[in-house]
Amino acid sequence: DQQVKQNSPSLSVQEGRISILNCDYTNSMFDYFLWYKKYPAEGPTFLISISSIKDKNEDGRFTVFLNKSAKHLSLHIVPSQPGDSAVYFCAASESRSGANNLFFGTGTRLTVIP
Amino acid sequence: DAGVTQSPTHLIKTRGQQVTLRCSPKSGHDTVSWYQQALGQGPQFIFQYYEEEERQRGNFPDRFSGHQFPNYSSELNVNALLLGDSALYLCASSSQGFNEKLFFGSGTQLSVL
Repeated sequence: DQQVKQNSPSLSVQEGRISILNCDYTNSMFDYFLWYKKYPAEGPTFLISISSIKDKNEDGRFTVFLNKSAKHLSLHIVPSQPGDSAVYFCAASESRSGANNLFFGTGTRLTVIP
Repeated sequence: DAGVTQSPTHLIKTRGQQVTLRCSPKSGHDTVSWYQQALGQGPQFIFQYYEEEERQRGNFPDRFSGHQFPNYSSELNVNALLLGDSALYLCASSSQGFNEKLFFGSGTQLSVL
């Protein structure tokens, strides 16, 4: 049972425009969410995170929004750059249980067109 | 500052064999987690080691076992390999504490023929 879902396998965006990547989760016990970026032949690299006590977290060009009632989060990249082309994974954890293992979505491949 | 290093990078085995994968955590990290990433899927948690003990385990059979050494490095062992074990195996390290972001290695690509 996939507890974290990324329903868009791929997304193409023009350079300079906004990229919006979406993620849904089913487990209401998740309270910490992360986005990882993965280039070919490399491991996932941490990008940005958000705790369930917040609804927005911003870091430079990257902003993550959390809608707890809808069990939905999104990653906004503005402006998009060709170097942002990668696979983006959404992940969630249930830190209150003492566990910090991550549940990952299946990823969205972002292509930024120059 | 060395990040997470894994060896080997690629491995080919046949069904029924056993395999050992190795991981050295990022400097200053004491916790190692292992993930399996099948083709087209996201990484799936196998288990986590801290203080040389398995602390948490995901939904993987006992054929998957591990070990952590006093220097915090870790091994993942898989016995009686199945074709379905073919995947990218990722090691991730972190420091103790909740909500610590994980640092991943580049992975070991295991092919079972």
